[in-house]
Amino acid sequence: DAGVIQSPRHEVTEMGQEVTLRCKPISGHNSLFWYRQTMMRGLELLIYFNNNVPIDDSGMPEDRFSAKMPNASFSTLKIQPSEPRDSAVYFCASSFRDGLAGEQYFGPGTRLTVT
Amino acid sequence: GENVEQHPSTLSVQEGDSAVIKCTYSDSASNYFPWYKQELGKRPQLIIDIRSNVGEKKDQRIAVTLNKTAKHFSLHITETQPEDSAVYFCAASNFGNEKLTFGTGTRLTIIP
Repeated sequence: DAGVIQSPRHEVTEMGQEVTLRCKPISGHNSLFWYRQTMMRGLELLIYFNNNVPIDDSGMPEDRFSAKMPNASFSTLKIQPSEPRDSAVYFCASSFRDGLAGEQYFGPGTRLTVT
Repeated sequence: GENVEQHPSTLSVQEGDSAVIKCTYSDSASNYFPWYKQELGKRPQLIIDIRSNVGEKKDQRIAVTLNKTAKHFSLHITETQPEDSAVYFCAASNFGNEKLTFGTGTRLTIIP
């Protein structure tokens, strides 16, 4: 298996622009997580889905952030409009939940820089 | 919600010695405690996890202990090697919710 796939790996954009991050989870996994990592705030969960349904979005910072999972093999995280404070590494992770919480497999991350 | 505190934030250990990282959690309902290792510029990767029905788990040079009464758990690395240098994160969640709350991380440096 190729593991969790994220694109793009790096994104540089100007303040006010829309940014879309993409994630393909490991085939067969039924939970997907979006994290943000910064030096100041560490590793934060933004939102997670189970069976394509958003379960907990309490970590989404504000209305500028939105996430979708239209099917089991694809998810997007969108920031509109982007701001410099959104600069961070965004990780997508997936897991297989069969009653109990399971290991989360992280993707390589997308390094976002907003100027 | 859950709050996880992790100490120390940095740790330097002579190669061959042991390293211990400690975490405390606030939610008594938490019952799943994984540890992730993140090398510089890489993704976090699970190295060991423990569930609340056991007090200790070992995997070669790595062990994790859990004290549910005190609400703390620890990572122990013995016979440290240069490749153990990384940032280590503890986390906690409960069976009813896959949401992991992470600690702030410990930067471990192994001195050759």
